[in-house]
Amino acid sequence: TQLLEQSPQFLSIQEGENLTVYCNSSSVFSSLQWYRQEPGEGPVLLVTVVTGGEVKKLKRLTFQFGDARKDSSLHITAAQPGDTGLYLCAGVGPRRGGADGLTFGKGTHLIIQP
Amino acid sequence: AAGVIQSPRHLIKEKRETATLKCYPIPRHDTVYWYQQGPGQDPQFLISFYEKMQSDKGSIPDRFSAQQFSDYHSELNMSSLELGDSALYFCASSFRGISQLGNTIYFGEGSWLTVV
Repeated sequence: TQLLEQSPQFLSIQEGENLTVYCNSSSVFSSLQWYRQEPGEGPVLLVTVVTGGEVKKLKRLTFQFGDARKDSSLHITAAQPGDTGLYLCAGVGPRRGGADGLTFGKGTHLIIQP
Repeated sequence: AAGVIQSPRHLIKEKRETATLKCYPIPRHDTVYWYQQGPGQDPQFLISFYEKMQSDKGSIPDRFSAQQFSDYHSELNMSSLELGDSALYFCASSFRGISQLGNTIYFGEGSWLTVV
């Protein structure tokens, strides 16, 4: 069974601060996706990382995929109250075509205080 | 851009009743996934379909069944409902194609099922 450990589980910081969320596993993933989910709504895809060592930027968000494709991080620069939400990392297994769907981390509840 | 469409958005059923959820994937996507998310929990994979054939099964109870139709929409049928089935059910879709490589999965808004 593949497991993704996400940390921290809860994070409350002041507006303007920087933060990093980590997603770690002992398993290799063919790709890893980061989602943001609002209460009662479906996860919204932020980014997909595929290549080991890959770095992708989405405005103030920087996503990195580990060289061994077992871990990933999300770094937010100068956090704003609008960044508040649940951030989920999810790995696509090495099985062909990702047939087994996504393995989700437990999520990071992020609160940015004005 | 068109997204994954789920219906109904909210559903209230009594114990032992049956419920059916529908999912319309993003156009040209050939793979559909169903997930269950309980309160305060991360989504759990239930089942997936590729080109109208069942692709893989996760933690789907025997009381549940699903299928993908010729137009690629999918339905999740849940029978003998229990209180513990109350959850947010997500459908997701992706395009796998002939390359069979890992792909990006997009989620619908979800269907809230409440069993009373």
